[in-house]
Order: sequence, then structure tokens, then C-alpha cells
Amino acid sequence: SQQGEEDPQALSIQEGENATMNCSYKTSINNLQWYRQNSGRGLVHLILIRSNEREKHSGRLRVTLDTSKKSSSLLITASRAADTASYFCAPSGAGSYQLTFGKGTKLSVIP
Amino acid sequence: DAGVIQSPRHEVTEMGQEVTLRCKPISGHDYLFWYRQTMMRGLELLIYFNNNVPIDDSGMPEDRFSAKMPNASFSTLKIQPSEPRDSAVYFCASSLGRPRGNQPQHFGDGTRLSIL
Repeated sequence: SQQGEEDPQALSIQEGENATMNCSYKTSINNLQWYRQNSGRGLVHLILIRSNEREKHSGRLRVTLDTSKKSSSLLITASRAADTASYFCAPSGAGSYQLTFGKGTKLSVIP
Repeated sequence: DAGVIQSPRHEVTEMGQEVTLRCKPISGHDYLFWYRQTMMRGLELLIYFNNNVPIDDSGMPEDRFSAKMPNASFSTLKIQPSEPRDSAVYFCASSLGRPRGNQPQHFGDGTRLSIL
């Protein structure tokens, strides 16, 4: 399995603003997943985007995937204090069952 | 539906003691993963099982660590003897392997382990 690298490492925004975090990876993938981790809790799966998809939406989340640049982005619109968490991407190759997580992006949404 | 259940949530013990962490995966899931999370190293995969069989234990740091999955609804991670550097949050996760790989993983809330 390969590891994604999230950028920035930390992001602080005001409530109501949009938050964008990025993920880069090194080799071809079958899909890429995004997870959220609230303080003191386990990771929660947010969204999975397959290699043949360019964009996917789920509520206030929008994920894009650019396989030519080997990168993905997660956009959270109209952020809320409850979105304060660390966000991780997990790229995965075909037939791979294990995921390797990077250090994540720590998002702070200030009320 | 019940999620992945881990116990205990917190464990404090002295160096040299045996530690056993427990995990109940989501019913019907055939993959189970054990991770360790620290500030320095982030989230590391220790071992994973498919249908109760260990598939890859290359992430297990030392022989002091062992993991078992005696049946589809229970797994343990054991550290014997424990050392202060084993202090971390240990997570268990489970997923389906079908219809194809790379299914979302469902995490428990972890066991926060402190070795004094």
C-alpha cells in the first residue's frame, strides 16, 4: 500500500469559511479515501473516490481527484466548529486491502 | 448497528506487565486491522486478518507483540512484557472485502495505553 501526504499540516479558519486540504501520492491508484478523526476518537470514513472519477460530493464535502497529477483535494464548505478534526487521505492500489495513513491535516474551525 | 467495539478504553500499567487489548469487529466484516497511533509516528498498521487468518504482520514492532483472532467476532492484541515506549493509542478497524478491495474501514474509538 502507499501513503498519501496531506497538506497543509494545520489549517485554522473562521466558522462559515471554506476549508481546502490536499493530498498527494506517488503511484497509480484504484481509489482514494478520506477520513476524519475527532480528538480522542477513531477515524471515520468520509468519502471514497475511484480512479475513474474526477469529483464526488457528499453533503458539504467535495472531493476531487486528478490522477495525472497524483493529487486529491477535500473541500469542506460553510465550515462549522464541529468540523474541527484531523483529516487523512488514504490512496490505495488495485486489490489492496490495507491502508497507509499520513500525518493528516489538523483543521481548527474558530466559532 | 453497533460499530467496532474496543476494550478497555484506557489502560495504565507498569512496565513489564502483560497487556491485552480486545476488539469486536462489525458483524459480517471479514477484514480486521490493528493500528497504533503516536504523535511521533502517526498511525501505523500493525497487523491485519482476513477471515480470522493473519495476512500481514510486518508492522508488528517486536516479538513482544502478538495478535490473535480466534473467531469472526473477536480479536486480541497482546504485549508481553510491556515497555514505556509502547504507550500509544491502539485502534482496531474492520471492513468488508467484497465486492472488491479497498472498502471503507470502520474504526473503534481506541484503547489509550500508558506504560509507566
